[in-house]
This record gives sequence, structure tokens and C-alpha cells, in this order.
Amino acid sequence: QVQLQQWGAGLLKPSETLSLTCAVYGGSFSGYYWSWIRQSPGKGLEWIGEMNHSGSTNDNPALKSRVTISVDTSKNQFSLRLTSVTAADTAVYYCARRVLWGIIKCPAFDIWGQGTKVTVS
Amino acid sequence: DIQMTQSPSSLSASVGDRVTITCRASQSITSYLNWFQQKPGTAPNLLIYASSTLQSGVPSRFSGRGSGTNFTLTISSLQPEDFATYYCQQSDITPWTFGQGTKVEIK
Repeated sequence: QVQLQQWGAGLLKPSETLSLTCAVYGGSFSGYYWSWIRQSPGKGLEWIGEMNHSGSTNDNPALKSRVTISVDTSKNQFSLRLTSVTAADTAVYYCARRVLWGIIKCPAFDIWGQGTKVTVS
Repeated sequence: DIQMTQSPSSLSASVGDRVTITCRASQSITSYLNWFQQKPGTAPNLLIYASSTLQSGVPSRFSGRGSGTNFTLTISSLQPEDFATYYCQQSDITPWTFGQGTKVEIK
């Protein structure tokens, strides 16, 4: 059974860089897109971006200038860096696997990490 | 970006009730619509993908329908474990976007 385990610093000061890592256990790393999603009371669920095992990315234009997503296929891990954080970046951050489901190949996030609460203050 | 609007934002219902949540997209997303259930302190859990297909292990009291811009999630007979927040999410075009959520509470 595939599991995602994530970690990273939970308390940052304004202008610092958020750094989170997510490890994939129990399944293949290739063939999927690996996403970061955040959730805050003010903005709800917000997709940040994603990368596949070969380095292809999709980004959210709202955050693209500050976001770097990377993968380490040797460790089955992927990471998020978000620069120049402000209070608006306070949220629970999730990593998730995106899979193409069904005949129409509908993209869907089927496995999620446990979440990391990040506070910028 | 495609805006996803859910209604209602919250509802109160009793065990055994039939509950329907609506999700509207700001432009057509054909059938690229997913539903998630989230309980406090946990990550969202995929219930339905491609508008109407139940994810493995999801009880048959959950159903989804719709295409284009209008979608619904129905719980045919609400159970105690169904009290949670439900989100729709479009998978037609990036950036993938979510609805604001519908909280289902106990009456």
C-alpha cells in the first residue's frame, strides 16, 4: 500500500524559505505526477504545483515565481521550496499523488501525505 | 483559472437523510470533476472521480453526476461517519482548482 510521509519546518519568519519533503513508500515513483497542495482558512484548498519522475512540471501561475518542486528518484522523494514567505503562506501543506483514472483518464489526487502545518510569523 | 462554486456552504442533516451538494464550474470541464471528503485533522480523501465513478472502497450510498458546468454529490442515506466537509475539484485544466467546501453537520 502506497503511503506518503512528509516533513519540514513548521515555523518560519517572513522572507524565509519554506522547505518540505515527501517520501513515497510502498509503490512506484515513476508514472505519476507528485503534487503539493495547501489549505488555509482564508483560501481553502490551493494546488501549488507538481512534477513527475522525469522532471516535467505543471505550475500554479499564482505561485510560480516563488515555487521550486524537485524530485529525487534515488530516494523516491520530492520536495517543495517556497521563497519569500509571508503570513499569507500560513497553511497546512500536503503532498499528494496524482493519477489518471478511468476511461477518460481523469486526473485525481488519490493518495495524500499527513499534512504539515506551516506558520509564518 | 476555473472557479469552482459549491452550495450550500454548510448544511445540517440527520442520520438517514438524503443529502445533495452542488458544484458549479465557471466554464465547461466536461466530466473532469472529482469529489473529496475531509474530516478534521486529516487529509482530503478521494470519493469520486470523473464526475460519477466511485473510488474503490467508497460506499454505494455516495453518488455523483453531472457534466459541463453543473455537478452534484448525493449521499442517499447519511451515516454518522459521513459528517465531514466535502470538496469538488476540477481536473480539466491546470491550475487544478477546488470548491470552497460544504460542511455537513449533525442536526
